[in-house]
Amino acid sequence: AQTVTQSQPEMSVQEAETVTLSCTYDTSENNYYLFWYKQPPSRQMILVIRQEAYKQQNATENRFSVNFQKAAKSFSLKISDSQLGDTAMYFCAFFNTNAGKSTFGDGTTLTVKP
Amino acid sequence: GAGVSQSPSNKVTEKGKDVELRCDPISGHTALYWYRQSLGQGLEFLIYFQGNSAPDKSGLPSDRFSAERTGGSVSTLTIQRTQQEDSAVYLCASKKNGGYEQYFGPGTRLTVT
Repeated sequence: AQTVTQSQPEMSVQEAETVTLSCTYDTSENNYYLFWYKQPPSRQMILVIRQEAYKQQNATENRFSVNFQKAAKSFSLKISDSQLGDTAMYFCAFFNTNAGKSTFGDGTTLTVKP
Repeated sequence: GAGVSQSPSNKVTEKGKDVELRCDPISGHTALYWYRQSLGQGLEFLIYFQGNSAPDKSGLPSDRFSAERTGGSVSTLTIQRTQQEDSAVYLCASKKNGGYEQYFGPGTRLTVT
């Protein structure tokens, strides 16, 4: 079974600053995907970024990038130039390709302050 | 195209009543998932349907919970004899065959009084 740990229940950042959200996971699988999802107060879960475990290059999507350290089983999310609209709960997720299921962390509530 | 839809968006029910929650996945998506999210918490896996295979029910918390998926499309999650601890947001997600990204619906907020 997989476990996903997000050690920061809450974080805050000033608008335009950079913030990093932490995520670690534990698995014996070799092939998997990792995701960061954003859940704003509207409740709709939105995919932010994904990383294939077999790729060494860190994924980047505009202001969002990850630091994927496979050996350390770490998958952090960096948000650059934070915007007020980034205020949301962020979930790290591990997708087990063999089982076809995801395991989610408990989430980090991020508040961007003006 | 249309995303995942769920109905109702909110449901208030009395303890002991049965409820049905509906999920319409994205057309053509073969996988469908149900999750439960308690207030301010992470997502708890409930059940997973993949095509015509037998569903993975390993996350259902008790025999009061059941789900079915008709015709490989719409799914209904049924909770019998609801309890106050069943109060949560129930999220549905779908995934296309061969893909890894799940697309989520807006959820149903269930309140058991």
